[in-house]
Amino acid sequence: EVQLLESGGELVQPGGSLRLSCAASGFTFDDYAMHWVRQAPGKGLEWVSGITSSGGHTYYADSVTGRFTVSRDNSKNTLYVQMNGLRAEDTALYYCAKRRADSSNDFDFWGQGTLVTVSS
Amino acid sequence: SYELTQPPSVSVSPGQTASITCSGYKLGNRYASWYQHKAGQSPILVIYQSTKRPSGIPERFSGSNSGNTATLTISGTQAEDEADYYCQAWDSTTLYVFGSGTKVTVL
Repeated sequence: EVQLLESGGELVQPGGSLRLSCAASGFTFDDYAMHWVRQAPGKGLEWVSGITSSGGHTYYADSVTGRFTVSRDNSKNTLYVQMNGLRAEDTALYYCAKRRADSSNDFDFWGQGTLVTVSS
Repeated sequence: SYELTQPPSVSVSPGQTASITCSGYKLGNRYASWYQHKAGQSPILVIYQSTKRPSGIPERFSGSNSGNTATLTISGTQAEDEADYYCQAWDSTTLYVFGSGTKVTVL
């Protein structure tokens, strides 16, 4: 059974930093690209960042480029995102999501999410 | 940037058919995916590559995509189908794009 378990979300002040983690199990982690998707309170889903299976390529939404860094440790089956320069508009539930297949652009499994609140 | 537009809400009676549209420039030339998202739960992929259902998704969920519009159809809608639904596509500039979401209410 595929499981994705996010952690690391908490209350942080504007301008602060946070690192989220996503522990994966139930599939061959290093075969799949992984992504972060967020949902701000009362808003829709927003793709944030992605990383290829090897970690060799990373991708970011314009809203987080230069502030967020996605990474992965395939030996630990874990996905990360380092978030710096946090803003109020980064307040959201952050999900990690597994890309369905190597040639696909959709997500077949999602975690339960971890809540990031940016406020003074 | 590429955008996908959905109606904010759709209402349907139990047992009837719900159709949720997703509009984007030449969307029919791309693959569309659909996700069901219930409050407090993880999103679930219900349609991928515009028309395909993942294993475990009921047959009442179907998809189509042509021109500028992709459509998710729920036939014989059940109370458990009440949720927010998001379309999603990939664009070479914007990368992964989600629609604004449609709240489906089963009356």
